[in-house]
Amino acid sequence: EIVLRQSPATLSLSPGERATLSCGASQSVSSSYLAWYQQKPGLAPRLLVYDANIRATGIPDRFSGSGSGTDFTLTISRLEPEDFAVYYCQQYGGSPYTFGQGTKLEIK
Amino acid sequence: QVQLQQWGAGLLKPSETLSLTCAVYGGSFSGHYWSWIRQSPGKGLEWIGEINHSGSTHNNPSLKSRVTISVGTTNNPFSLKLSSVTAADTAVYYCARGSLAAGGTGAFDIWGQGTVVTVSS
Repeated sequence: EIVLRQSPATLSLSPGERATLSCGASQSVSSSYLAWYQQKPGLAPRLLVYDANIRATGIPDRFSGSGSGTDFTLTISRLEPEDFAVYYCQQYGGSPYTFGQGTKLEIK
Repeated sequence: QVQLQQWGAGLLKPSETLSLTCAVYGGSFSGHYWSWIRQSPGKGLEWIGEINHSGSTHNNPSLKSRVTISVGTTNNPFSLKLSSVTAADTAVYYCARGSLAAGGTGAFDIWGQGTVVTVSS
């Protein structure tokens, strides 16, 4: 099973700043089959990025994903108030599919 | 607009069987894999398993043989059964669709609203 480790656990930033979230895998993720999700309290996760760097339908272009192999990054170029939430990475290159433990992005 | 609507019992006793169902509205059932995922404070997000329209399934080995995922006779809805539950199975359970853009599986682009399941004696 591929273990995903996200860092930092909590990120405190202000609106307008740039956010960089990291996701490291215990082994190489096949074909860069990695996704990022945003989750707000009481709601289901929302798909932001799949295949490491492709934005899902309707996702603003301030969200971008990058990386390959074992190291992946989600960047939010300029934080909007609605971006403060918990973010998860997830790999689907190997079974079972696994998720990281999450990064909480909070307002500074 | 595709929506997933899920339902099932929310309070179980240890050793009982969890049973949840998820219906797909406004979209095609074929071409995708349909997954069950759960979320708990202790274990975070955990993928349980998936099924496609022809009944082909893949399950998480961590849940061993306790999981059964099935589809109805008309391919919609699809269901989860988890046998011999314990307190460790207490979680919010979601159904979700594998994104066609990502090959129909793996990246989940549509989610159900979630069902809180509590296991307690």
